[in-house]
Formats: sequence, structure tokens, C-alpha cells
Amino acid sequence: NAGVMQNPRHLVRRRGQEARLRCSPMKGHSHVYWYRQLPEEGLKFMVYLQKENIIDESGMPKERFSAEFPKEGPSILRIQQVVRGDSAAYFCASSPPKAAGSNQPQHFGDGTRLSIL
Amino acid sequence: GDSVTQMEGPVTLSEEAFLTINCTYTATGYPSLFWYVQYPGEGLQLLLKATKADDKGSNKGFEATYRKETTSFHLEKGSVQVSDSAVYFCALSDPSGSARQLTFGSGTQLTVLP
Repeated sequence: NAGVMQNPRHLVRRRGQEARLRCSPMKGHSHVYWYRQLPEEGLKFMVYLQKENIIDESGMPKERFSAEFPKEGPSILRIQQVVRGDSAAYFCASSPPKAAGSNQPQHFGDGTRLSIL
Repeated sequence: GDSVTQMEGPVTLSEEAFLTINCTYTATGYPSLFWYVQYPGEGLQLLLKATKADDKGSNKGFEATYRKETTSFHLEKGSVQVSDSAVYFCALSDPSGSARQLTFGSGTQLTVLP
């Protein structure tokens, strides 16, 4: 019974390169969330997606960052032209479809640790 | 906007000591409240939750009670173990709107010494 799967676990990029982070939600989960954790800090919300739709991207930087959750395949967080400040742990979480007025807990993956040289 | 304020760490305790990690929140609606635990190199695991006032969440000896009057959700454990050493995050989510993201506190590092 696989949980939320993220890959790669560690990713090293040089400044100016592109980083692609993948997330496969738990079986039966159609909602995906991306969070960023800077060193010594809590997690900050980035984006919330359902299949083929971005629901809330209020936490995404305006430039260089994008996310998708296609009909088939994992969710992808893409960072173009990476800079040193993008170094962080990026966590994906998933949850089942929302029932009216309820709040399903989010299940987290083990994260991708991105290091920019 | 919504926010969570957590007791700053790090916290160091001896095995079998009593643990309290304070958490207070600010929210416009009626949020659900959570405690997550993060072990080194891993993702967050849900420890416990409460969805309405006066609810008590409990798991693995940890407890937290949703106190609407003091807007608090303090985490407690009567007797900690070395294996409880981890970072603990308090979080909230407002289920009433379309946005469902979790708002996290900054985390509290707990170290339990044998």
C-alpha cells in the first residue's frame, strides 16, 4: 500500500538549470498539494491541484515556478533557471476528494531535497 | 489571514519527562487543527487532529485539545521516550472554503535524552 511517492529524493542543479520534481499521490487521492520547507523553517504552501486543474496557486512565486497534475501520470513541480535561494526541501501531499464541509487529512511524501550549486 | 504560532525550540527533555508544546492560532473561520511529526530525512506524518471546539485528538500517548476560547491546541505527552525525538508542527486548515492548504507553525525540535 504505497503512500505518497516523490522522486527524486535528492536533486542537485547548477544555477540556471531546470529542476523537475515528481509526485505520485496515494491511490484514490485526487488532490495534490506542494509545500516548500526552507532550512530551520516550517512548511509553506505553494499550490493546490486536482487532475488537470490548478485550484489555488497563491503560494507560488510569480516567475520561474509552475505546477501541473495531468490526467495521467504524476504531478510535476517545475523550477526554471534555478537560483541559490531555491535550495529547500519540497514536499508533496495528497488527500481524497473533499466531502462537503469536511477536511480530509493530507498525507505527505518524504520530500525532494533540492540543492543549487 | 490564517496563522499558527508555535512554542520555539529546541526542547530537550529526559526520558519519562512530561512534554508540552504550545500552539495558538488565528483564523477567520472554524478551522481543523493538526499536529504533524517529522523525523530526520523524512516527510511529515499526521500525529493527531481535532475538527471542532473541545475535541481531543490523541495518538501514541500524545494528546491535544481544541480550545476555541483561548485559540490553542497544545500538544502534551505524559512520559516521553527517546524515540519521540523529532520536529513537531502544529497546523490548521479551514474546511469551509475552496482553499484547503495547511498553514503550519515554524516547528519545535524535541530531543529526548536517555
